[in-house]
Amino acid sequence: EAQVTQNPRYLITVTGKKLTVTCSQNMNHEYMSWYRQDPGLGLRQIYYSMNVEVTDKGDVPEGYKVSRKEKRNFPLILESPSPNQTSLYFCASSYLTSGRSNEQYFGPGTRLTVT
Amino acid sequence: AQTVTQSQPEMSVQEAETVTLSCTYDTSESDYYLFWYKQPPSRQMILVIRQEAYKQQNATENRFSVNFQKAAKSFSLKISDSQLGDAAMYFCAYGTLYNFNKFYFGSGTKLNVKP
Repeated sequence: EAQVTQNPRYLITVTGKKLTVTCSQNMNHEYMSWYRQDPGLGLRQIYYSMNVEVTDKGDVPEGYKVSRKEKRNFPLILESPSPNQTSLYFCASSYLTSGRSNEQYFGPGTRLTVT
Repeated sequence: AQTVTQSQPEMSVQEAETVTLSCTYDTSESDYYLFWYKQPPSRQMILVIRQEAYKQQNATENRFSVNFQKAAKSFSLKISDSQLGDAAMYFCAYGTLYNFNKFYFGSGTKLNVKP
């Protein structure tokens, strides 16, 4: 089954304790992206990657890191989480096609709470 | 940067009736894609419908259709014969061709369906 998986689905942590949220897709998509969803703000892009070793900042990258060492994986790293990073996080992937904006396939979301 | 505005935070519709969700966007690009995503209580993001800006014909998917007004930069979603399962948060999204697959999301409209 074609899918994007994220782990963990729920996470409660404390300020300053490094954490990683994993994301994996089995569709051989070139493009992967991380979003955070906050009430009244919709989804905002944190980082995206157009292929292995190619990443770039989205609209709200502060406090986050990413890496893309393999095509299927795109982990999101919070080196020193703070309470303002409490949010619902989504990983998404899609094909890259010149001259076309392809739909993004989303993971199930990770609910992160930082106390 | 592109912006997407959904001016209706919450709407209600009676089962079997029709409802229209509004979306406007701001862009200087001539080619782009527009999407409506549904987010039920499970939090999964589900693509409802997509529209290519170069196509004049409005997209339709079963009970879902759009009214795309390019000059007015408007992209509304019409749901006909509303069903209880349509109750969800709906997000309008803009996909740019010029910064591969960068998406901009609106703040969402919560749709309630009354039996």
